[in-house]
Amino acid sequence: GEDVEQSLFLSVREGDSSVINCTYTDSSSTYLYWYKQEPGAGLQLLTYIFSNMDMKQDQRLTVLLNKKDKHLSLRIADTQTGDSAIYFCAETPNQAGTALIFGKGTTLSVSS
Amino acid sequence: NAGVMQNPRHLVRRRGQEARLRCSPMKGHSHVYWYRQLPEEGLKFMVYLQKENIIDESGMPKERFSAEFPKEGPSILRIQQVVRGDSAAYFCASSPTLKETQYFGPGTRLLVL
Repeated sequence: GEDVEQSLFLSVREGDSSVINCTYTDSSSTYLYWYKQEPGAGLQLLTYIFSNMDMKQDQRLTVLLNKKDKHLSLRIADTQTGDSAIYFCAETPNQAGTALIFGKGTTLSVSS
Repeated sequence: NAGVMQNPRHLVRRRGQEARLRCSPMKGHSHVYWYRQLPEEGLKFMVYLQKENIIDESGMPKERFSAEFPKEGPSILRIQQVVRGDSAAYFCASSPTLKETQYFGPGTRLLVL
């Protein structure tokens, strides 16, 4: 079945790099997404990667995709206290008209 | 260009009452998705609608839940005879066409007493 898994917690110091990992099961997924959720707020789209790409960089964010291992990671360079949030990995199964499949989220805690 | 709008942001209901959650998609978006987030869980898909049509409701509970997206006005998620287990955050997302990136609203947090 479809399942997206993430580690639940990550704690880093301000200025360090954060790496959040995700594994997924649907090898036919076309897009993979990272969303950020701050307390009491909705989901903010951070970045996404198309399944035929290995890497995507966007300012402090780097997404790496290993299709063979079905592994996705999000690296945040120079992590700031404002990056503290829950980060969700999501995949789009390759079916018409269906939804994102989300992981349970990784809570990133940044200490100064 | 306003984002996805949801209201109310917070809703308190007693067991047995009805809850109506509204979602206005981004301008130009005709595809709406509803998701539910239980405490400390990820989001789970409920239903996908286009204007006046339900396309995929595979994630909707069979009873008490319904959704619509009329030709005019917002999409509505309706929960009849709410129970405590319905307490959750309900998020709406929209996209311009099928399988394009989904943009999320701020959510409605439903509390059933």
